Amino acid sequence: EAGVAQSPRYKIIEKRQSVAFWCNPISGHATLYWYQQILGQGPKLLIQFQNNGVVDDSQLPKDRFSAERLKGVDSTLKIQPAKLEDSAVYLCASRANTGGGYGYTFGSGTRLTVV
Amino acid sequence: GENVEQHPSTLSVQEGDSAVIKCTYSDSASNYFPWYKQELGKGPQLIIDIRSNVGEKKDQRIAVTLNKTAKHFSLHITETQPEDSAVYFCAASIRGSARQLTFGSGTQLTVLP
Repeated sequence: EAGVAQSPRYKIIEKRQSVAFWCNPISGHATLYWYQQILGQGPKLLIQFQNNGVVDDSQLPKDRFSAERLKGVDSTLKIQPAKLEDSAVYLCASRANTGGGYGYTFGSGTRLTVV
Repeated sequence: GENVEQHPSTLSVQEGDSAVIKCTYSDSASNYFPWYKQELGKGPQLIIDIRSNVGEKKDQRIAVTLNKTAKHFSLHITETQPEDSAVYFCAASIRGSARQLTFGSGTQLTVLP
């Protein structure tokens, strides 16, 4: 089974610029998550989708972050404008809803550096 | 919301020795506790998990124990090998939270040959 695909792997931008990350989850996984992982910390949830609907975006800084999941498959996360404190790894994860499975599968992440 | 604390932040062991990482959680409604291994440049990978109706689970050299009364759970790795070197994260999920995970701050495990 193919894993969760994310691109780009690395991105360096100047503060106040915009950036977008892309995620392709495992085929058939209805639930998709975006997590932010700051260096030296555990991942923190930004947003959760169920198919193409938002389940929880309470931790998403909506003044600068936006996310969408068109057709319940791929997802994009955008930051505009970026701040220095947005430097982190952005992880996408997906999970199957059937069979009582709890386990997430994470992608390798996009490392964002804001300078 | 849930808060997960993880200790120690770094751990060095000799190859063949055991390693233990401990986590505590705050919300008694949490009912699912996974452990993830993260290697450099990669996303976290699930290595073992436990649900609140079980006190212990083992998979080869890896075991997890859960004490619901004390609200803590631990990862035990026996016969450690250099390839076990990585950052390990514990996490907890609150019942009814749509399976969202709250992660600990991570433990950098180094297995010395």
